[in-house]
Amino acid sequence: GEDVEQSLFLSVREGDSSVINCTYTDSSSTYLYWYKQEPGAGLQLLTYIFSNMDMKQDQRLTVLLNKKDKHLSLRIADTQTGDSAIYFCAESPSNSGYALNFGKGTSLLVTP
Amino acid sequence: DAGVIQSPRHEVTEMGQEVTLRCKPISGHNSLFWYRQTMMRGLELLIYFNNNVPIDDSGMPEDRFSAKMPNASFSTLKIQPSEPRDSAVYFCASSLVRGGGTANNEQFFGPGTRLTVL
Repeated sequence: GEDVEQSLFLSVREGDSSVINCTYTDSSSTYLYWYKQEPGAGLQLLTYIFSNMDMKQDQRLTVLLNKKDKHLSLRIADTQTGDSAIYFCAESPSNSGYALNFGKGTSLLVTP
Repeated sequence: DAGVIQSPRHEVTEMGQEVTLRCKPISGHNSLFWYRQTMMRGLELLIYFNNNVPIDDSGMPEDRFSAKMPNASFSTLKIQPSEPRDSAVYFCASSLVRGGGTANNEQFFGPGTRLTVL
C-alpha cells in the first residue's frame, strides 16, 4: 500500500519553533494523529485532529490540516531539549478497519 | 490504570529458539495491535484483534510468527524458530474502538519488548 511520508530528521535550536510535516494517503481518514516516542519508550499520543478541522492548538502545539493536499503538520513553539524525540504521524484509513497507518517518524533533535 | 503492560522488556535468545512476547491491554479496551519497529522498516503492523478475534494478520512476516488472544486481558506473540532478522522492538497497543464514522480510535502503546536474536 501507499506510505505515509515524513522527513526523517529535523534539527532546531532551543527556543525556536519546529515544524514537522507529513503527507498522508487516505482522504477519508476521520482522524489524524501525532505520536511522540522518547528513547527506549513506546509511542504516546501527543495530539490529534478531526478531519473537519483545519487547525487545532494545544498549548505549544499547533496542528494544521490541508485535506486537499493530504498534508498534516505539527508545529512546536519554543522548542525545548525535552522535545527531542521521534514524532510519528498516523492516519485512520477507512479501509483498514481499526488499524492506524503510521509514517516512519521524524527524529527531532533540539540543541542548546 | 497501569496502561498497556508488556513482558519481558528485553529478551536475548539464540537463533532457532522459541520466543514468546506477552501483552496485557488496558482494561475495557476491545482492540489489540502488535507492531514491530526496526530502523530500516520503521513501525510495521503485524496483526490486530477486535473482541479477541484476529481481524488482519497480513503483516505477519511468515509462518514462524503466530499470535493469540485467548481472552480480553491477554495476548501473546510467538516466534518459532527465531532468526537474527527478527531482532527488533515489538510493541503492543490497545484501543477502545467505537462504532460510527466519527469515532476516535486512538491507540495506547506499551513500552515494548526489545528482542535480540543472536
